[in-house]
Amino acid sequence: GAVVSQHPSRVICKSGTSVKIECRSLDFQATTMFWYRQFPKQSLMLMATSNEGSKATYEQGVEKDKFLINHASLTLSTLTVTSAHPEDSSFYICSAPSRFDGYTFGSGTRLTVV
Amino acid sequence: GQNIDQPTEMTATEGAIVQINCTYQTSGFNGLFWYQQHAGEAPTFLSYNVLDGLEEKGRFSSFLSRSKGYSYLLLKELQMKDSASYLCARTDNYGQNFVFGPGTRLSVLP
Repeated sequence: GAVVSQHPSRVICKSGTSVKIECRSLDFQATTMFWYRQFPKQSLMLMATSNEGSKATYEQGVEKDKFLINHASLTLSTLTVTSAHPEDSSFYICSAPSRFDGYTFGSGTRLTVV
Repeated sequence: GQNIDQPTEMTATEGAIVQINCTYQTSGFNGLFWYQQHAGEAPTFLSYNVLDGLEEKGRFSSFLSRSKGYSYLLLKELQMKDSASYLCARTDNYGQNFVFGPGTRLSVLP
């Protein structure tokens, strides 16, 4: 089946720094990548949708200048959390449509901003 | 918005049957997914319904009524390991929106 490799799985960073999260489709081409954020005991909230070669579409309330998304190739999409604050601490996860089981998820990134 | 709704929490006993409901906005609807998610992990695919009716897959079954904007996930012979969050998610006609419901936290008690 399809696999999306997400790195890092866990990251701790200082306030004010930036963190990059990568999602790579290993055996299929991901023309679209969905990025989600999940706070404890809450559901996955769609942050943005990236399409290869075009600008990402952000959901209402998500700051595009703070959460930079790049989808430069058919196998790689990245999310950069800029000027991170403690309230950005969350579980970030990506998902891409695939032919195998509809949507394939990355393993998630636990971000802690201290 | 997508207006997807699920009960927040449910509790059931080991060996019992539980039904988790999901209602959604029908405009632009294409398909309905169910996922299981344990804390701190990625969601695991359970089922995908496009057509009306019941689809059975072992202990788990999923039902869809397109006209009513309603789906449910049925879990039989509950086991302790079934304690998790269950998320329904809908896609639109173009596959460009993949939005989750609030999730239902299921606790299976001995």
